[in-house]
Amino acid sequence: GAVVSQHPSWVICKSGTSVKIECRSLDFQATTMFWYRQFPKQSLMLMATSNEGSKATYEQGVEKDKFLINHASLTLSTLTVTSAHPEDSSFYICSARRTLASGYTFGSGTRLTVV
Amino acid sequence: KQEVTQIPAALSVPEGENLVLNCSFTDSAIYNLQWFRQDPGKGLTSLLLIQSSQREQTSGRLNASLDKSSGRSTLYIAASQPGDSATYLCAVIGGNAGNMLTFGGGTRLMVKP
Repeated sequence: GAVVSQHPSWVICKSGTSVKIECRSLDFQATTMFWYRQFPKQSLMLMATSNEGSKATYEQGVEKDKFLINHASLTLSTLTVTSAHPEDSSFYICSARRTLASGYTFGSGTRLTVV
Repeated sequence: KQEVTQIPAALSVPEGENLVLNCSFTDSAIYNLQWFRQDPGKGLTSLLLIQSSQREQTSGRLNASLDKSSGRSTLYIAASQPGDSATYLCAVIGGNAGNMLTFGGGTRLMVKP
């Protein structure tokens, strides 16, 4: 089946620094990947759609300069949280799918804590 | 705009019971519907995918049904076990080229030994 790998699984950083999260499709090519944010005991909130070779599409209310997305290859999308602050602390998850008819596969998530 | 609702929000049952988790959606123009399981602090694990042309899918003790006309899906869990304790999420896939995934709020399931 389709496998999506996300790294790191957790990260602690100081306020003001930047953190990069990677999302890789291991056994298929993904022209589109999706980034979600999840707060405790809440469902997933779509942040942006990452498109290979072009700019990401951000959801309303998501700061594109704060959350930089790069989809440089068919198997890798990265999310960089720039100048992180404690309110950016959250669980970030990516997803992709092999084909239009296949379901979505999610990464294992990244727990970001900004201190 | 698609809206997805899951009922109940939380459920606590003794081991061995058969369960039904409900998912309803407002726009019947969907590509497919997917059920996921999420353990605390973990990513999502896909359980079942139902194409829009299908009415149900089965995997082991799990059975998911889809009624597009009424905007409903149910996830049936037979003979529940403590290891089934998790949050179950229903996601409706629609939009342009099926690129829009709309999640329900989830059902938090606790199966007690």
